[in-house]
Amino acid sequence: GAVVSQHPSRVICKSGTSVKIECRSLDFQATTMFWYRQFPKQSLMLMATSNEGSKATYEQGVEKDKFLINHASLTLSTLTVTSAHPEDSSFYICSASGYGVSNQPQHFGDGTRLSIL
Amino acid sequence: GQQVMQIPQYQHVQEGEDFTTYCNSSTTLSNIQWYKQRPGGHPVFLIQLVKSGEVKKQKRLTFQFGEAKKNSSLHITATQTTDVGTYFCAGPFTGTASKLTFGTGTRLQVTL
Repeated sequence: GAVVSQHPSRVICKSGTSVKIECRSLDFQATTMFWYRQFPKQSLMLMATSNEGSKATYEQGVEKDKFLINHASLTLSTLTVTSAHPEDSSFYICSASGYGVSNQPQHFGDGTRLSIL
Repeated sequence: GQQVMQIPQYQHVQEGEDFTTYCNSSTTLSNIQWYKQRPGGHPVFLIQLVKSGEVKKQKRLTFQFGEAKKNSSLHITATQTTDVGTYFCAGPFTGTASKLTFGTGTRLQVTL
């Protein structure tokens, strides 16, 4: 099946640090990648949609200058949390949709647990 | 905006008992997807339903899509401890094919 790799799996860092998270589709071309945030015992909330070669589309309430997304190729998207603060601590998960067919299920990465001290 | 609610929020059953989670959308969905997330893990795709009234089975799991395509259910027969996790339904954002709105989730705990 389709494999999505997300790195790193866990980050603990000081307030003010910028953190970059990578999401790679390993065995398929991902035309679209999605970034979610999940707080403890809550659902997944879509932050942004990333299409290769174009600017990401952010959901309402998500600061684009705070969460920088780059989708440079059909296999890689990155999310950078700039100047992270404790309230940014969360579980960040990427997912990818394959090339072509609409309604194709999203394949999720393992997630990144971000803790800001 | 579009909302997808699930009930119950949490259920604790003894191994061998059945379990059902219900999913209700505020809007008609072109399809409904179900995911399972184990504690500490990421969501894993279980199934997608597309047709009105569709029923699909995967071993002990039975999935239904309502006639009006606004609700769905997941039923697990004779739960096992391996069924522990949170079950999410998800449907496409209104007007899009790929962006998903996830339901609120149902957390299942199974004890011996």
